[in-house]
Amino acid sequence: QKEVEQNSGPLSVPEGAIASLNCTYSDRGSQSFFWYRQYSGKSPELIMFIYSNGDKEDGRFTAQLNKASQYVSLLIRDSQPSDSATYLCAVTHNNAGNMLTFGGGTRLMVKP
Amino acid sequence: DAGVTQSPTHLIKTRGQQVTLRCSPKSGHDTVSWYQQALGQGPQFIFQYYEEEERQRGNFPDRFSGHQFPNYSSELNVNALLLGDSALYLCASRSRPGRVNSPLHFGNGTRLTVT
Repeated sequence: QKEVEQNSGPLSVPEGAIASLNCTYSDRGSQSFFWYRQYSGKSPELIMFIYSNGDKEDGRFTAQLNKASQYVSLLIRDSQPSDSATYLCAVTHNNAGNMLTFGGGTRLMVKP
Repeated sequence: DAGVTQSPTHLIKTRGQQVTLRCSPKSGHDTVSWYQQALGQGPQFIFQYYEEEERQRGNFPDRFSGHQFPNYSSELNVNALLLGDSALYLCASRSRPGRVNSPLHFGNGTRLTVT
């Protein structure tokens, strides 16, 4: 069983719409949650991180965490074609330092 | 301010050979981690180096080894290459390994192809 699960997609949304990306994790000891964006052929780029239950907003991005449901999501408002990329969810566990466990990623396509 | 730099960018090796990949961390960072990313998958943690010692290791065989130098740069060595070792190898650096709110910065990776 994978520790971090994401729908591989592709998730297709029209320009200007809200894109909703979801991630579930299996280890209840997970403490920190990260969303990375990865363009094809490039390295992952950190978008947001969240530690506490609830919402965290940064510009057009909102991360949502529900530890009881072991669920974390990323909302992208006013989606742009430049947001088209693979979005990787990653978690760190208790006593794991900065070892990140990644999901397989969701490919997002924003159509003009 | 230079970010994380990796070399080479691409590499083609034959099964059974050995390979060495190199990484220079972002300025001010002293902790280096290596990840393997197979095509279409998320990165998988190989190991982390801090103060020239391997501090954590993921589920990778002993064929994967590493080193960190006094200037914080790092090498990843893979022996007895298998076809399944073909992947993008990512180096990531950060400061203060115990602080989770010190985010990882990834390099552009080395694309290894084993034939």
